[in-house]
Amino acid sequence: AQSVAQPEDQVNVAEGNPLTVKCTYSVSGNPYLFWYVQYPNRGLQFLLKYITGDNLVKGSYGFEAEFNKSQTSFHLKKPSALVSDSALYFCAVRDIDSGAGSYQLTFGKGTKLSVIP
Amino acid sequence: GAGVSQSPSNKVTEKGKDVELRCDPISGHTALYWYRQRLGQGLEFLIYFQGNSAPDKSGLPSDRFSAERTGESVSTLTIQRTQQEDSAVYLCASSLAGGFADTQYFGPGTRLTVL
Repeated sequence: AQSVAQPEDQVNVAEGNPLTVKCTYSVSGNPYLFWYVQYPNRGLQFLLKYITGDNLVKGSYGFEAEFNKSQTSFHLKKPSALVSDSALYFCAVRDIDSGAGSYQLTFGKGTKLSVIP
Repeated sequence: GAGVSQSPSNKVTEKGKDVELRCDPISGHTALYWYRQRLGQGLEFLIYFQGNSAPDKSGLPSDRFSAERTGESVSTLTIQRTQQEDSAVYLCASSLAGGFADTQYFGPGTRLTVL
């Protein structure tokens, strides 16, 4: 079975400072990893994904994430936080070796990011 | 082009009533997914449609839940005899195909409240 852990329910960061939202995963095979952002009363918006290749993935709005296989992590980062980045962030994993259920995304519980002016 | 759309955006119903939630996927997307998001929780997979293949219903929590999809277009999620624990946001997503690398694009969701 696949699972995702987002160990921090909330992250607070000052505007202009770098931000990190943590994600660790567990799969039996090889993972595809995704980050989504959810603004209040909105659906999820895709930020970035890791499929293969370079461990550092760049996505929308200046976000990036680093895949670390040995630590089974896929932390989301941004060099300089904006107040408008305040939202709920979800990490998701797909185990591509799990057979028929490989199309399912398993989501973490989300991390609320608050960027303080 | 238009994204995934869902209707209604909000639905308030009484316990025991049936509800229907609608999803219009992105045009040309053959794969469609339903998820449930309970307050303060991550997304919970419900059901998956891929083209004309039999849907994967393994995530449906009970036989009160069912879903249909006509070809590669609109999908309807039906909850019969609603219970208070069904209160949640129901999210629909679509992807170009059901491939492992495909990105799922989400609609705005339907917020269901069962009184």
